[in-house]
Amino acid sequence: DAKTTQPPSMDCAEGRAANLPCNHSTISGNEYVYWYRQIHSQGPQYIIHGLKNNETNEMASLIITEDRKSSTLILPHATLRDTAVYYCIVRPLYKGGYNKLIFGAGTRLAVHP
Amino acid sequence: DVKVTQSSRYLVKRTGEKVFLECVQDMDHENMFWYRQDPGLGLRLIYFSYDVKMKEKGDIPEGYSVSREKKERFSLILESASTNQTSMYLCASSADRGTGANVLTFGAGSRLTVL
Repeated sequence: DAKTTQPPSMDCAEGRAANLPCNHSTISGNEYVYWYRQIHSQGPQYIIHGLKNNETNEMASLIITEDRKSSTLILPHATLRDTAVYYCIVRPLYKGGYNKLIFGAGTRLAVHP
Repeated sequence: DVKVTQSSRYLVKRTGEKVFLECVQDMDHENMFWYRQDPGLGLRLIYFSYDVKMKEKGDIPEGYSVSREKKERFSLILESASTNQTSMYLCASSADRGTGANVLTFGAGSRLTVL
């Protein structure tokens, strides 16, 4: 599976957009980009995923570069409740056996007033 | 709206005790997973199950066993708890295939302390 690289930490002011980058330069053509987040003392929560087109849902937007070697998760209006560790994961849609997601260190986003 | 329920949020056990961690999901998912999470080590997969009575070892199965007698329930068993099993344990489930296959729904976690 493709490896991902994320900054260890970021800050964002409440109400502003939070843009979280992820580098996945070795991504394969059949691999999707998934984003999860984990709020302190809770289980991880799925946010969004995409293959090559930009995606948007009620939680966030996902922008994938044309060469698919990097992506950005955008929280359009960050709130204090968005303070969490954000994980970027690259994985084929289905890869025989089981779908083992590898959670790296992620980016610790701190939203401040 | 709780979809993956872990039976205990906090447990304190003694070395050598047998420990059961229970997980129930109400989404009719085929796949269920047990992870543990430790500071600096991230989430590590212990066991997973892709069907009733089926189980597969993850990355760190030693010292653990699992049971899946019903589709909605996946139990993690520590046969003889040790202090190095003190951790946060997370249960998750996912659909079998398609776009849902990598969308895991996690429980709130069970924080186990072994004295």
